[in-house]
Amino acid sequence: KNQVEQSPQSLIILEGKNCTLQCNYTVSPFSNLRWYKQDTGRGPVSLTIMTFSENTKSNGRYTATLDADTKQSSLHITASQLSDSASYICVVSESTGGFKTIFGAGTRLFVKA
Amino acid sequence: NAGVTQTPKFRILKIGQSMTLQCTQDMNHNYMYWYRQDPGMGLKLIYYSVGAGITDKGEVPNGYNVSRSTTEDFPLRLELAAPSQTSVYFCASSYSRMARQAAYEQYFGPGTRLTVT
Repeated sequence: KNQVEQSPQSLIILEGKNCTLQCNYTVSPFSNLRWYKQDTGRGPVSLTIMTFSENTKSNGRYTATLDADTKQSSLHITASQLSDSASYICVVSESTGGFKTIFGAGTRLFVKA
Repeated sequence: NAGVTQTPKFRILKIGQSMTLQCTQDMNHNYMYWYRQDPGMGLKLIYYSVGAGITDKGEVPNGYNVSRSTTEDFPLRLELAAPSQTSVYFCASSYSRMARQAAYEQYFGPGTRLTVT
Protein backbone atom coordinates (compact mmCIF):
# COMPACT_ATOMS: atom_id res chain seq x y z
CA LYS A 1 0.00 0.00 0.00
CA ASN A 2 1.35 3.42 -0.95
CA GLN A 3 2.10 5.49 2.12
CA VAL A 4 3.76 8.72 3.17
CA GLU A 5 5.04 8.88 6.74
CA GLN A 6 6.28 12.10 8.32
CA SER A 7 8.30 12.59 11.47
CA PRO A 8 8.25 14.00 13.99
CA GLN A 9 4.51 14.62 14.45
CA SER A 10 5.32 17.89 16.18
CA LEU A 11 8.40 19.89 17.01
CA ILE A 12 9.15 22.91 19.19
CA ILE A 13 12.27 24.98 18.50
CA LEU A 14 13.61 28.36 19.52
CA GLU A 15 13.64 31.25 17.09
CA GLY A 16 16.87 31.37 15.12
CA LYS A 17 17.56 27.62 15.38
CA ASN A 18 17.63 25.18 12.47
CA CYS A 19 15.48 22.09 12.16
CA THR A 20 14.96 19.13 9.82
CA LEU A 21 11.69 17.40 9.07
CA GLN A 22 11.57 13.88 7.64
CA CYS A 23 9.38 12.17 5.06
CA ASN A 24 9.53 8.47 4.15
CA TYR A 25 7.38 7.08 1.38
CA THR A 26 6.53 3.82 -0.30
CA VAL A 27 4.79 5.31 -3.35
CA SER A 28 5.75 3.54 -6.55
CA PRO A 29 6.29 4.24 -9.37
CA PHE A 30 7.51 7.63 -8.22
CA SER A 31 6.75 10.84 -10.09
CA ASN A 32 7.42 13.78 -7.82
CA LEU A 33 7.61 14.89 -4.22
CA ARG A 34 6.34 18.20 -2.92
CA TRP A 35 6.62 20.00 0.39
CA TYR A 36 3.83 22.33 1.45
CA LYS A 37 3.51 24.81 4.32
CA GLN A 38 0.07 25.12 5.89
CA ASP A 39 -0.61 27.95 8.32
CA THR A 40 -3.43 27.41 10.82
CA GLY A 41 -6.80 27.99 9.16
CA ARG A 42 -5.30 28.37 5.69
CA GLY A 43 -4.76 26.22 2.63
CA PRO A 44 -1.38 24.57 1.90
CA VAL A 45 1.18 26.63 0.00
CA SER A 46 3.87 24.97 -2.11
CA LEU A 47 7.49 25.25 -0.94
CA THR A 48 9.40 22.88 -3.22
CA ILE A 49 8.78 20.34 -5.96
CA MET A 50 11.29 17.60 -6.86
CA THR A 51 11.16 15.01 -9.60
CA PHE A 52 13.11 11.76 -9.77
CA SER A 53 16.28 13.34 -11.14
CA GLU A 54 16.50 16.09 -8.53
CA ASN A 55 18.05 15.50 -5.12
CA THR A 56 17.90 19.01 -3.66
CA LYS A 57 15.77 22.11 -4.08
CA SER A 58 15.87 25.37 -2.16
CA ASN A 59 13.32 28.10 -1.55
CA GLY A 60 14.83 30.81 0.62
CA ARG A 61 15.50 29.36 4.08
CA TYR A 62 13.84 26.07 3.09
CA THR A 63 15.92 23.30 1.53
CA ALA A 64 14.43 19.98 0.54
CA THR A 65 16.44 16.87 -0.26
CA LEU A 66 15.34 13.69 -1.95
CA ASP A 67 16.91 10.23 -1.97
CA ALA A 68 14.84 8.25 -4.45
CA ASP A 69 16.81 5.06 -3.73
CA THR A 70 15.91 4.99 -0.03
CA LYS A 71 12.60 6.78 -0.64
CA GLN A 72 13.33 9.49 1.87
CA SER A 73 13.05 13.25 1.80
CA SER A 74 13.88 15.94 4.31
CA LEU A 75 12.98 19.59 4.68
CA HIS A 76 15.62 21.72 6.39
CA ILE A 77 14.64 25.11 7.79
CA THR A 78 17.50 27.49 8.49
CA ALA A 79 17.46 30.31 11.04
CA SER A 80 13.84 29.72 11.98
CA GLN A 81 11.43 32.62 12.41
CA LEU A 82 8.19 32.89 14.36
CA SER A 83 6.34 32.92 11.04
CA ASP A 84 7.66 29.42 10.31
CA SER A 85 5.19 28.08 12.88
CA ALA A 86 2.91 25.93 10.72
CA SER A 87 2.28 22.39 9.53
CA TYR A 88 4.62 21.06 6.88
CA ILE A 89 3.15 18.48 4.55
CA CYS A 90 5.01 16.01 2.35
CA VAL A 91 3.13 14.96 -0.80
CA VAL A 92 4.19 12.16 -3.17
CA SER A 93 2.66 11.42 -6.57
CA GLU A 94 2.68 8.27 -8.67
CA SER A 95 3.70 8.30 -12.32
CA THR A 96 0.98 6.01 -13.57
CA GLY A 97 -0.75 8.75 -15.55
CA GLY A 98 -3.60 9.14 -13.11
CA PHE A 99 -3.98 11.43 -10.14
CA LYS A 100 -2.72 9.14 -7.44
CA THR A 101 -1.23 11.49 -4.88
CA ILE A 102 -0.59 10.64 -1.26
CA PHE A 103 -0.49 13.38 1.37
CA GLY A 104 1.42 12.89 4.59
CA ALA A 105 -0.26 13.83 7.87
CA GLY A 106 2.22 16.67 8.36
CA THR A 107 4.68 17.84 11.00
CA ARG A 108 3.44 20.60 13.27
CA LEU A 109 6.27 23.07 13.92
CA PHE A 110 6.16 25.59 16.75
CA VAL A 111 8.82 28.31 16.79
CA LYS A 112 9.13 30.06 20.16
CA ALA A 113 10.69 33.45 20.89
CA ASN B 1 -5.32 37.52 -9.22
CA ALA B 2 -7.45 36.33 -6.34
CA GLY B 3 -6.19 32.77 -6.90
CA VAL B 4 -8.55 30.09 -5.57
CA THR B 5 -11.51 31.33 -3.57
CA GLN B 6 -13.94 29.23 -1.54
CA THR B 7 -17.27 30.00 0.08
CA PRO B 8 -18.51 29.72 2.73
CA LYS B 9 -15.64 29.74 5.25
CA PHE B 10 -17.69 27.97 7.89
CA ARG B 11 -20.96 26.06 7.90
CA ILE B 12 -22.95 23.96 10.33
CA LEU B 13 -25.38 21.46 8.83
CA LYS B 14 -27.93 19.19 10.39
CA ILE B 15 -27.89 15.51 9.46
CA GLY B 16 -29.76 14.99 6.20
CA GLN B 17 -29.40 18.55 4.94
CA SER B 18 -27.71 19.39 1.65
CA MET B 19 -25.37 22.15 0.62
CA THR B 20 -22.97 23.27 -2.09
CA LEU B 21 -19.42 24.36 -1.43
CA GLN B 22 -18.33 26.92 -3.98
CA CYS B 23 -14.87 27.11 -5.56
CA THR B 24 -13.61 29.58 -8.15
CA GLN B 25 -10.17 30.13 -9.64
CA ASP B 26 -9.02 33.00 -11.86
CA MET B 27 -5.70 31.53 -13.07
CA ASN B 28 -7.19 29.80 -16.12
CA HIS B 29 -6.10 26.41 -14.77
CA ASN B 30 -7.49 23.34 -16.50
CA TYR B 31 -7.25 21.06 -13.50
CA MET B 32 -9.27 21.47 -10.33
CA TYR B 33 -9.57 19.30 -7.24
CA TRP B 34 -11.56 18.85 -4.05
CA TYR B 35 -9.90 17.49 -0.91
CA ARG B 36 -10.99 16.90 2.63
CA GLN B 37 -8.67 17.19 5.61
CA ASP B 38 -9.51 15.38 8.84
CA PRO B 39 -7.58 16.00 12.09
CA GLY B 40 -4.23 14.20 12.17
CA MET B 41 -4.72 12.84 8.64
CA GLY B 42 -3.38 13.71 5.23
CA LEU B 43 -5.61 15.36 2.65
CA LYS B 44 -7.82 12.94 0.74
CA LEU B 45 -8.92 13.54 -2.86
CA ILE B 46 -12.71 13.57 -3.27
CA TYR B 47 -13.16 14.53 -6.94
CA TYR B 48 -11.11 16.14 -9.65
CA SER B 49 -11.65 17.70 -13.05
CA VAL B 50 -9.29 17.99 -16.02
CA GLY B 51 -11.39 20.59 -17.80
CA ALA B 52 -14.88 21.97 -18.27
CA GLY B 53 -17.39 19.16 -18.60
CA ILE B 54 -15.01 16.46 -17.34
CA THR B 55 -14.96 15.16 -13.78
CA ASP B 56 -13.79 11.96 -12.10
CA LYS B 57 -13.81 10.32 -8.70
CA GLY B 58 -10.91 10.49 -6.33
CA GLU B 59 -10.19 8.38 -3.29
CA VAL B 60 -13.26 9.25 -1.16
CA PRO B 61 -16.15 10.29 -3.45
CA ASN B 62 -19.10 8.71 -1.63
CA GLY B 63 -21.69 11.23 -0.46
CA TYR B 64 -20.44 13.97 -2.80
CA ASN B 65 -21.09 15.21 -6.32
CA VAL B 66 -19.36 17.76 -8.51
CA SER B 67 -19.90 19.59 -11.77
CA ARG B 68 -17.62 21.66 -14.00
CA SER B 69 -19.61 23.78 -16.39
CA THR B 70 -16.90 26.46 -16.73
CA THR B 71 -13.12 26.56 -16.43
CA GLU B 72 -13.36 28.84 -13.39
CA ASP B 73 -15.91 27.09 -11.18
CA PHE B 74 -15.91 23.67 -9.54
CA PRO B 75 -18.70 23.36 -6.93
CA LEU B 76 -18.90 20.40 -4.54
CA ARG B 77 -22.37 19.19 -3.59
CA LEU B 78 -23.15 17.34 -0.37
CA GLU B 79 -26.43 15.44 -0.41
CA LEU B 80 -27.90 14.07 2.83
CA ALA B 81 -25.12 15.31 5.08
CA ALA B 82 -23.75 12.84 7.64
CA PRO B 83 -21.54 13.37 10.72
CA SER B 84 -18.72 11.54 8.87
CA GLN B 85 -18.59 14.49 6.47
CA THR B 86 -17.49 16.84 9.24
CA SER B 87 -14.14 18.04 7.93
CA VAL B 88 -12.24 20.91 6.36
CA TYR B 89 -12.67 21.00 2.60
CA PHE B 90 -10.04 22.42 0.28
CA CYS B 91 -10.37 23.24 -3.38
CA ALA B 92 -7.22 23.39 -5.49
CA SER B 93 -6.24 24.03 -9.09
CA SER B 94 -3.21 23.47 -11.29
CA TYR B 95 -1.95 23.76 -14.83
CA SER B 96 -2.27 20.92 -17.27
CA ARG B 97 -0.02 17.95 -16.60
CA MET B 98 1.37 18.54 -20.07
CA ALA B 99 3.26 21.50 -18.62
CA ARG B 100 5.47 18.97 -16.82
CA GLN B 101 6.97 20.42 -13.65
CA ALA B 102 4.53 23.30 -13.59
CA ALA B 103 1.76 20.74 -13.61
CA TYR B 104 2.63 19.64 -10.10
CA GLU B 105 2.17 23.09 -8.57
CA GLN B 106 -1.24 23.02 -6.93
CA TYR B 107 -2.78 26.22 -5.62
CA PHE B 108 -5.15 25.77 -2.70
CA GLY B 109 -8.08 27.83 -1.51
CA PRO B 110 -8.47 28.87 2.15
CA GLY B 111 -10.82 26.00 2.97
CA THR B 112 -14.38 25.52 4.21
CA ARG B 113 -14.84 24.18 7.73
CA LEU B 114 -17.99 22.04 7.78
CA THR B 115 -19.64 20.56 10.85
CA VAL B 116 -22.52 18.11 10.56
CA THR B 117 -24.52 17.54 13.75
